[in-house]
Amino acid sequence: EAGVAQSPRYKIIEKRQSVAFWCNPISGHATLYWYQQILGQGPKLLIQFQNNGVVDDSQLPKDRFSAERLKGVDSTLKIQPAKLEDSAVYLCASSKGQGGDQPQHFGDGTRLSIL
Amino acid sequence: AQSVTQLDSQVPVFEEAPVELRCNYSSSVSVYLFWYVQYPNQGLQLLLKYLSGSTLVKGINGFEAEFNKSQTSFHLRKPSVHISDTAEYFCAVKGVVTGGGNKLTFGTGTQLKVEL
Repeated sequence: EAGVAQSPRYKIIEKRQSVAFWCNPISGHATLYWYQQILGQGPKLLIQFQNNGVVDDSQLPKDRFSAERLKGVDSTLKIQPAKLEDSAVYLCASSKGQGGDQPQHFGDGTRLSIL
Repeated sequence: AQSVTQLDSQVPVFEEAPVELRCNYSSSVSVYLFWYVQYPNQGLQLLLKYLSGSTLVKGINGFEAEFNKSQTSFHLRKPSVHISDTAEYFCAVKGVVTGGGNKLTFGTGTQLKVEL
């Protein structure tokens, strides 16, 4: 089966600009996650969707970050305006369901650099 | 809430030697435990998982891990490493909570460097 697809792979922008990332999960996976991975750290969950509804966005900086999954399949994550501390790899993952026994499958990520 | 501690940020080891990567967790509820591997410029790949049952879990690429409830540990082992095992390894925990919505919490990672 095809894996989780993310684009772009790399993005360089200046601070205060906006940027958007796209994710296409594995077919049939109802649950979609966006993680932020800062250099030298483990991934941190930003937002979790179950179909097109938000399950957990407690760690999403809502003043600048937004995410949507309108049709319950693809998802976009946006940052506006970007800050220097947003430099990180943004990983998208998907799973069949929310259960703890459901493994999450990760895409290769988008590496964001803020100048 | 859960937390994960990976005690070693870097582990150098010679090829064909055994290796153990340490992971300890804290949680107020029962947990599911996972090990993921991340190769440079790639996403995370699941190595193995503990859900229930036997405390010794076997995964891909010859890795195994043992769940120790009394010591709240889930150490990853491989009896003989290969150059291709050089990567970052992440331990992760998720609470066993009905209804879902319980997030996966990752440790800070251990960089395994296999040398000739």
